[in-house]
Amino acid sequence: EVQLLEFGGGLVQPGGSLRLSCAASGFTFSSYAMTWVRQAPGKGLEWVSAISGSGGSTYYADSVRSRFTISRDNSKNTLYLQMTSLRAEDTAIYYCAKLDSDNQAFVYWGQGTLVTVSS
Amino acid sequence: QLVLTQSPSASASLGASVKLTCTLNSGHSSYAIAWHQQQPEKGPRYLMKLNSDGSHSKGDGIPDRFSGSSSGAERYLTISSLQSEDEADYYCQTWGTGIQVFGGGTKLTVL
Repeated sequence: EVQLLEFGGGLVQPGGSLRLSCAASGFTFSSYAMTWVRQAPGKGLEWVSAISGSGGSTYYADSVRSRFTISRDNSKNTLYLQMTSLRAEDTAIYYCAKLDSDNQAFVYWGQGTLVTVSS
Repeated sequence: QLVLTQSPSASASLGASVKLTCTLNSGHSSYAIAWHQQQPEKGPRYLMKLNSDGSHSKGDGIPDRFSGSSSGAERYLTISSLQSEDEADYYCQTWGTGIQVFGGGTKLTVL
C-alpha cells in the first residue's frame, strides 16, 4: 500500500524559512517523480514543484521559483521542500504526491501539512 | 499557456447522475487530464486519467459509478447513482513540459 506522510509544517514569520518532508512507502521511491501541491485556506489546488525519480530534474511554479527548493533522498525514501523568504501568501496546506509512470497524473496523495506564515 | 476551466458549482439529487466538465484552452484540445476528488477536510484522491479519445484508467478502488469521457477540448467526469459521500470538490489536472496545471475546481452538492 502506497503511503505518503508529510511533516514539518508550522507557524513561521514572514521572511523566514521552513523545510517540509514527505516520507514515502509502499513503492520503489527512486522510480517515480514526486511533486508538491498546496492549497491556501478556502482555495483550490496549486502546483508548487516537481522532481524526477533520480532527482536530476526539478521544476517550479513561477510563484515559488528562486525561493523554494525541491529535493529527495532516495536512500531514505523521503521528499523535501525547502522554503525560504516566506510570505503570507505561502500560507497553505502542502501536499506531496506521487506521479504515475508517465510523469503525468498525481496518482497518490499525502494527507498534507499546514504552513502558516504570520507575524 | 495551458489553462483548465471548470464551473464553480454543480448539484444533483441523491441517486441521480451528474456530469462535470473540464475545458482545455485553445491549442491544447488533445491533452489528457486527470480527475481528483477532495472530500471536506480531507486530502485529494486520484480518480482517473482521461485521454482525448475518452479512454481512461481509474485509480485503485475507484467505484464503477465514476466514469470519464471526452469531446473536443472538453473532458467529463460522470458520477452515477450519487451517494452522500460524493459531495466534494472535484479538480481536473493536466501537464506540459515542466509544468502542471489545475482547474479551479467544481464543488458538487448532493441534494
